[in-house]
Amino acid sequence: DIQMTQSPASLSASLGETVTIECLASEDIYSNLAWYQQKPGKSPQLLIYDASSLQDGVPSRFSGSESGTQYSLEINSLQSEDAATYFCQQHHDYPFTFGSGTKLEIK
Amino acid sequence: QVQLKESGPGLMQPSETLSLTCTVSGFSLTSNGVGWVRQPLGKGLVWMGTIWAGGSTNYNSAVQSRLSISRDTSKSQVFLKMNSLQPEDTGTYYCARHDSFRGDYFDYWGQGVMVTVSS
Repeated sequence: DIQMTQSPASLSASLGETVTIECLASEDIYSNLAWYQQKPGKSPQLLIYDASSLQDGVPSRFSGSESGTQYSLEINSLQSEDAATYFCQQHHDYPFTFGSGTKLEIK
Repeated sequence: QVQLKESGPGLMQPSETLSLTCTVSGFSLTSNGVGWVRQPLGKGLVWMGTIWAGGSTNYNSAVQSRLSISRDTSKSQVFLKMNSLQPEDTGTYYCARHDSFRGDYFDYWGQGVMVTVSS
């Protein structure tokens, strides 16, 4: 199975700041990576697909990038509504696997 | 618009068989795959399996021996059946649509259904 090591497990940042969340794949997943946002009591919502493509309707302050098997989600100009847990997911090979999640708190 | 909605029993006993239904609208099951994802309370997401647009299925080997996913395209419904339930199967079960055109990520999710396995 492809392991997705996500970091950090949690972070706290202030309004207007920029944060970065990372996922390291245990092998090459050829950019087949998605990022999701999940708010408490809600289902996950797609933010980014193919490592760096922004899903329709998602604010442009969200962006994704990759370097080898390291994938990053950057959130610029943090807003209060960005408080959530973020997950990465590889869809290159079965079983599809998710990162363990990053809980983002807005100070 | 695209919608998915899970339904099924909330409380199950150990060793029973879980049956969940995902009713979809706004797209055809013959155009997009639908997968099931489980989330234990307060924990991460685990892909369980998918039924693809052509009707084929793929399962997570961790549950493959207990899991079956099927569909009724005329009713726009996808079914999950999992036998020999254990307390560790407790969690929220989501059905989600695969984009299937640009990639196999999940672009729409249902609201989820909470299943508790307890005697």
